[in-house]
Amino acid sequence: AQTVTQSQPEMSVQEAETVTLSCTYDTSESDYYLFWYKQPPSRQMILVIRQEAYKQQNATENRFSVNFQKAAKSFSLKISDSQLGDAAMYFCAYRSAGSGNTGKLIFGQGTTLQVKP
Amino acid sequence: NAGVMQNPRHLVRRRGQEARLRCSPMKGHSHVYWYRQLPEEGLKFMVYLQKENIIDESGMPKERFSAEFPKEGPSILRIQQVVRGDSAAYFCASSPRAGGTEAFFGQGTRLTVV
Repeated sequence: AQTVTQSQPEMSVQEAETVTLSCTYDTSESDYYLFWYKQPPSRQMILVIRQEAYKQQNATENRFSVNFQKAAKSFSLKISDSQLGDAAMYFCAYRSAGSGNTGKLIFGQGTTLQVKP
Repeated sequence: NAGVMQNPRHLVRRRGQEARLRCSPMKGHSHVYWYRQLPEEGLKFMVYLQKENIIDESGMPKERFSAEFPKEGPSILRIQQVVRGDSAAYFCASSPRAGGTEAFFGQGTRLTVV
């Protein structure tokens, strides 16, 4: 069975600085997707960034980028130029991509990010 | 195009009562997933449904919990005889096809059992 681990329950960053959130996962599959979701106090789950495992190039979305290390099964999220609105809980998630997959997501425990003005 | 709609946003039930949580997927989406988020934890998969079919219920407790997604109307997650441990946020996500690369989430229903 696949597992996702986020070892940092809480992180803080100064506004305008850069912060990296860690995520490791365990799987025997070769074809899968990895995601970072943001959950602000409103509870709405917002997709931040997605990475296909077959792509070597790290995904980027504006100030958000990932460091995907497939061999190490590591998938960290880097937030550059942090803004107050980035304060939220961040979840790393895994999804199988092979034939017959149902699309269900496996989530890590989450990291609460605090942004200090 | 309205997003995934869940109602109610907040639900309070006494122990032993029934809780019904509703999820209307995005227009054109026929695949629905339910997740549960216990306090201070990540989301845990419960069940995956397509119209009129349960495809994967491997994360659903065997007793008291049931889900449906009828041909017409929203998907319903039903919890019978609720207990304090059922207090959690329940999220619904929808996708236009099986294995779609992105699932769109609703804002969740926070169930409190008193």
